[in-house]
Formats: sequence, structure tokens, C-alpha cells
Amino acid sequence: KQEVTQIPAALSVPEGENLVLNCSFTDSAIYNLQWFRQDPGKGLTSLLLIQSSQREQTSGRLNASLDKSSGRSTLYIAASQPGDSATYLCLAAGTALIFGKGTTLSVSS
Amino acid sequence: AAGVIQSPRHLIKEKRETATLKCYPIPRHDTVYWYQQGPGQDPQFLISFYEKMQSDKGSIPDRFSAQQFSDYHSELNMSSLELGDSALYFCASSLGPRGANEKLFFGSGTQLSVL
Repeated sequence: KQEVTQIPAALSVPEGENLVLNCSFTDSAIYNLQWFRQDPGKGLTSLLLIQSSQREQTSGRLNASLDKSSGRSTLYIAASQPGDSATYLCLAAGTALIFGKGTTLSVSS
Repeated sequence: AAGVIQSPRHLIKEKRETATLKCYPIPRHDTVYWYQQGPGQDPQFLISFYEKMQSDKGSIPDRFSAQQFSDYHSELNMSSLELGDSALYFCASSLGPRGANEKLFFGSGTQLSVL
């Protein structure tokens, strides 16, 4: 059974810090990986999609990387802000579409 | 820009009742996915449709069924509801079949509470 793991499960940082969220997957056949943000009780907002042929995608203060050979993706958030507080989920699309359990981020002002 | 529309936003049912959730994909999107997210859990894939045909099946209980209609909207039908069915149900849409490398766009979800 394919698995997607996100570490850490929770993270608290002061405003302004740069941080990295990790997502690892076991499916060697993934064709893309998508990062989402979810606020409590709300829907999933797509942040970045990286295709398996790509190494990085950037949007504003967010940068996502993908290393298919090692089964890892990272989401880098620069200069974190309190408004970044949310749960971040990765979705590995391959043999199946599987979400990680998410990293809950809290940024304090 | 138009997004994925789900209705209703909230639904309260009693055990053994039935429920129907609706999903309207982004215009021109031909693939629909259904996910179930329990409290504090990650979303679990239920089922997907491409061009009105079932394309993938996940952990959807036999009590549930779904279909995609000619206008590409989809409905998830849930019967003999159980307390454990209480969850947030998401629908997502994309352009092209799975593997087409297109983003999934999610709706705001339907919060189902079974009492």
C-alpha cells in the first residue's frame, strides 16, 4: 500500500522565520505532487503543483521541490507571517491519489 | 473565476437515513473526485469519474454510490447512514483524466453530521 508521510505533524515559529515542511512518499510512479493549504473546517486551497519532470515550483514566498528518486518533496515558506497559520497537506498522484496527514503550522506575531 | 461548487454546505441526518451530496465542477473540467475527511484526519479518496465514467475507486463503502451526469456535475448518494459517516466531504475537479498532470481544485466541502 502506498504511503505519504508529512513531518513534522505540527510546527510553531515566530513571525519572519523561514521554514521547511517535508513530504515523503513511497510510490515510485508518481506523476505529480500538489501542496494544499487548509484552514480549520474549510476547504483545500491549491498552492503549488510539481510535475514529476520538474524539480521546483515557486509562487511568491512559497517554493516547492520534488525529488522523485528519493521520494521526497519540500515546501519552503520564506518570511513566515501569522496569516500563514494553517494545515499544509501534500497530495501524491501516482498509482493512487494519496494525501499526507498534514503539518499544522502556527506563526506567532 | 468560477470554482468547484458543492451543495449543501451542511447536512444533518439521522442514522439509517439517506443523503445526497452534489458537486458542480469548474466549467470545462471533465474529471471529478470525491474525498471524505473525518475530524482531525487527512482526506481519504472515495471515487472519481472521467467523462461520466467511473475512473478510480477508493475506500468508498458499498452503502455509497456516485455518478457523473452529462453536464459533468456529480452526486454522491449515501444510504443507511452510520454515525461514523459524519465527516467533511470534498469534491475536486480537474481537466483531463488522472495522469494528465493537471491541478485538482477542491470545493469548500459538505459537512455531514449523522445523529
